Amino acid sequence: DGGITQSPKYLFRKEGQNVTLSCEQNLNHDAMYWYRQDPGQGLRLIYYSQIVNDFQKGDIAEGYSVSREKKESFPLTVTSAQKNPTAFYLCASSRAPGETQYFGPGTRLLVL
Amino acid sequence: GEDVEQSLFLSVREGDSSVINCTYTDSSSTYLYWYKQEPGAGLQLLTYIFSNMDMKQDQRLTVLLNKKDKHLSLRIADTQTGDSAIYFCAESLPGSTFGDGTTLTVKP
Repeated sequence: DGGITQSPKYLFRKEGQNVTLSCEQNLNHDAMYWYRQDPGQGLRLIYYSQIVNDFQKGDIAEGYSVSREKKESFPLTVTSAQKNPTAFYLCASSRAPGETQYFGPGTRLLVL
Repeated sequence: GEDVEQSLFLSVREGDSSVINCTYTDSSSTYLYWYKQEPGAGLQLLTYIFSNMDMKQDQRLTVLLNKKDKHLSLRIADTQTGDSAIYFCAESLPGSTFGDGTTLTVKP
């Protein structure tokens, strides 16, 4: 089946710890995106990648890092510099930048 | 998102029509989208409209676009309890700009 997968579904982070959220797609899409969603709010763009080995900061990139070494994978690392990481993280992909985005099921990150 | 605005809540009775409204600021978007989010889940693409269209109908869904006023609406005919969710409109910029979502509650 084609689609976007995110893992894990739930992730717990301790103070000062870096954690990495996985996002994989087998849709052969060039562009991939990471969003953060807080309760009762819309989506805010963290990072996006238009093509392999390239990525740009979104609106709230501070405290996050990404890599795009493979077309199908776009992992997001939440670093210890992100002081308020508790949120629902959504990954999306599109065939090309600006085209229709398809979303994964999300990862909920909680701080212990 | 500050560039896309939606009303936060809408409540309707089952069988009625629902109309969810959205205003946006960037007129360069090629497409405008409506997504649905159920609790604890990702976003599901409902429909989209090309920026040179005024209306698009897809079964129970009707999208109206007023480019002059930068106003987008989604009408759901014969609203069902399964339609209860949060609905987001979005512009098609790289990374997209999303509204804060409209929570639709359908009462039996």
